[in-house]
Amino acid sequence: DAMVIQNPRYQVTQFGKPVTLSCSQTLNHNVMYWYQQKSSQAPKLLFHYYDKDFNNEADTPDNFQSRRPNTSFCFLDIRSPGLGDAAMYLCATSRRTSGGPEQFFGPGTRLTVL
Amino acid sequence: GQQVMQIPQYQHVQEGEDFTTYCNSSTTLSNIQWYKQRPGGHPVFLIQLVKSGEVKKQKRLTFQFGEAKKNSSLHITATQTTDVGTYFCAGPSFKEKSSGDKLTFGTGTRLAVRP
Repeated sequence: DAMVIQNPRYQVTQFGKPVTLSCSQTLNHNVMYWYQQKSSQAPKLLFHYYDKDFNNEADTPDNFQSRRPNTSFCFLDIRSPGLGDAAMYLCATSRRTSGGPEQFFGPGTRLTVL
Repeated sequence: GQQVMQIPQYQHVQEGEDFTTYCNSSTTLSNIQWYKQRPGGHPVFLIQLVKSGEVKKQKRLTFQFGEAKKNSSLHITATQTTDVGTYFCAGPSFKEKSSGDKLTFGTGTRLAVRP
């Protein structure tokens, strides 16, 4: 089945220790997104790619970086995680169409910062 | 910037009761989408409404898009324990180049159902 896969599902890191989260998709969608979601809140968009065109949100901290080496894969790098970065990180994809297409979410990676 | 608010923030109902969540956008939307997120899960797309005044049904769920395309509602008839979760509305952002790919999510309504 076509899907969005995130690894790992749970990640524990230490304060300040870099961490990379990965996302892959078999949907062949040209748009990929990274969201941060904290408890009882809506998903907050960090950045998205349309193909290789990177789009950063104005309020995304520099601590968060992303790479998309090909259509199928996208990575989220947190260079120096702080306690406030503990959250669920959701990857999503969509196929670009006019008027805002539906998004397909992966299961998420829950990040704990010690 | 664009804001999408939902009310109520939380609702606890007895199984079999009806439930409604309301979504209001600060800007006119070209379409509205609804997502459901189960506890511990990820958002799952439910439906998209495009036309002014549009009403769509999925079994016990009824979705409506306002005439002015700035508000929407989701009504669940005779809730079941499987309806538990947070319901988010979301509308596309069109402020900047490439932003048509983005969604602004509503604040969400968490539904709890007493069996």
